[in-house]
Amino acid sequence: AQSVAQPEDQVNVAEGNPLTVKCTYSVSGNPYLFWYVQYPNRGLQFLLKYITGDNLVKGSYGFEAEFNKSQTSFHLKKPSALVSDSALYFCAVRGRRNSGNTPLVFGKGTRLSVIA
Amino acid sequence: DAGVIQSPRHEVTEMGQEVTLRCKPISGHDYLFWYRQTMMRGLELLIYFNNNVPIDDSGMPEDRFSAKMPNASFSTLKIQPSEPRDSAVYFCASSKDRVYGGELFFGEGSRLTVL
Repeated sequence: AQSVAQPEDQVNVAEGNPLTVKCTYSVSGNPYLFWYVQYPNRGLQFLLKYITGDNLVKGSYGFEAEFNKSQTSFHLKKPSALVSDSALYFCAVRGRRNSGNTPLVFGKGTRLSVIA
Repeated sequence: DAGVIQSPRHEVTEMGQEVTLRCKPISGHDYLFWYRQTMMRGLELLIYFNNNVPIDDSGMPEDRFSAKMPNASFSTLKIQPSEPRDSAVYFCASSKDRVYGGELFFGEGSRLTVL
């Protein structure tokens, strides 16, 4: 069975400081990994994904994430946080072996608050 | 290109009434997903379709819930009769190329309140 854990319900960071939102996963075989962002009263928006290749993935709005196979992690990072980054962030995973018939599994979300 | 379009954006109804939520996926996408989001349970997959055919409805909570996709450009999620515990935000999402890790595109959601 596939699963995603986002261990922090809330992350607070000062504007201009680096931010990290944590995600660990469990799948059979190699994973497809995704990050989504949700602003208030909006749908989820795709940020970035890891499919294969370079472990460091760059995405929208200056975000990046690092795939670490040995730690089964895919933490989201940004070097300098903005107040406008404040939102709910979701990590999601799909097992590569079962990609033909298994939808994305989402974590419970982490609320990021960037304080000016 | 228009994104995923959902209607209504907000629905307030009374317990026992029928509710129909609508979704128009992105043209060319062959997968359509219905999710429900609540504070307590987070984001839950209810059902998904491939080429208009339901593939997995194991997330549908009860027989009161039903979903259809009569053609590639339209899907409905129906709750009959509705109950207060059905209050949530319901999202529709579409995608293509799932074998190669295609990402989901979400609509803005339909916020349902059952009184």
